[in-house]
Amino acid sequence: DAKTTQPTSMDCAEGRAANLPCNHSTISGNEYVYWYRQIHSQGPQYIIHGLKNNETNEMASLIITEDRKSSTLILPHATLRDTAVYYCIVRVGARGGADGLTFGKGTHLIIQP
Amino acid sequence: DGGITQSPKYLFRKEGQNVTLSCEQNLNHDAMYWYRQDPGQGLRLIYYSQIVNDFQKGDIAEGYSVSREKKESFPLTVTSAQKNPTAFYLCASSTEQGAVITEAFFGQGTRLTVV
Repeated sequence: DAKTTQPTSMDCAEGRAANLPCNHSTISGNEYVYWYRQIHSQGPQYIIHGLKNNETNEMASLIITEDRKSSTLILPHATLRDTAVYYCIVRVGARGGADGLTFGKGTHLIIQP
Repeated sequence: DGGITQSPKYLFRKEGQNVTLSCEQNLNHDAMYWYRQDPGQGLRLIYYSQIVNDFQKGDIAEGYSVSREKKESFPLTVTSAQKNPTAFYLCASSTEQGAVITEAFFGQGTRLTVV
């Protein structure tokens, strides 16, 4: 799996959009970008994933650059409950190509009241 | 309710003893994973299994063993060979829809303390 680079920590004001960047410059054509978050002492929670098109769900939006070397997770209206560690992962998404899902250290997002 | 269950939530063992952590899922997922997390660190992959009766080592498999005799179960044994077993252990599972792997679902973790 390609390695990812994320900032160690970020702050965001409550009610504002939180934009979390991720660099994955060595991503391969068949690798997807996945985002998870982990609230303290709990299991990680899936947020969103995408291949090359931008994606949106009820939790967040994922913007992937045209060259796919970086992406941004957007939480449109951050709340205090969004304070967590956010992990950006790239992995092969196709059937038969699965291997271990590898997490880095992630970004600790702190939502300020 | 469908989900992935780890038990127990807290586990204490004496140094030198083997201990087995349970992970069960009723999501009918093919793939299962074990991770270790130390304070302030990210998740590190111990073992994973894509199908029954098959599993692969992750990044930190030394001192651990697993089995996958049933699709819904993937127990992890922390052996006495593991030098620093005290940690938070997380189990996950995932499957595929069409040609794409879906998201992984995680259990709530087992906090193992070896004294």
